[in-house]
Amino acid sequence: ETGVTQTPRHLVMGMTNKKSLKCEQHLGHNAMYWYKQSAKKPLELMFVYNFKEQTENNSVPSRFSPECPNSSHLFLHLHTLQPEDSALYLCASSQFGTGNSPLHFGNGTRLTVT
Amino acid sequence: GENVEQHPSTLSVQEGDSAVIKCTYSDSASNYFPWYKQELGKGPQLIIDIRSNVGEKKDQRIAVTLNKTAKHFSLHITETQPEDSAVYFCAARGDGNQFYFGTGTSLTVIP
Repeated sequence: ETGVTQTPRHLVMGMTNKKSLKCEQHLGHNAMYWYKQSAKKPLELMFVYNFKEQTENNSVPSRFSPECPNSSHLFLHLHTLQPEDSALYLCASSQFGTGNSPLHFGNGTRLTVT
Repeated sequence: GENVEQHPSTLSVQEGDSAVIKCTYSDSASNYFPWYKQELGKGPQLIIDIRSNVGEKKDQRIAVTLNKTAKHFSLHITETQPEDSAVYFCAARGDGNQFYFGTGTSLTVIP
């Protein structure tokens, strides 16, 4: 069982809907990430939180809004998405500041925008 | 920023043969190189990693080599088994704790 849990596993939403993705890590890490995974593309980093503070926002459209209430939980709020936003959204965590700590991924949320 | 290239994009081997996946990176400041395996319906899972002060690391049937001068690193899987079939990603960690990923290699092990 992964130490990073994502819900829901699958989500179908219309372009006018509002939904949220949830991530929880049980590893005691202090950094959390959202990645977008599309076919034939490298993993795209969307947002990074270190110690609950957002440190990276890689030119992500405002229809994606992250929230990190504490170092164990991460949300991605979605509204007025486009069909091209359909992808696998992966959450990850790591221990920042302690040398070379790898990313630990959840199993993702498969998002389909209709 | 860092640019990671990965080859091949697909690889088929007979069970018991070896598989090699190669990656290159562009930023000489990158100092940590993990490899991930992603099975269908799951997220990427770390299988092995190497730090820039090490040239080779082995864990049972999996090994990784790093050539800092040439800026390339490779994953070697020996005695492949059908359960090794998956997509494999290389990554390089640059400044600011950011990871840069390759585009993935879909490995199929034919029984």
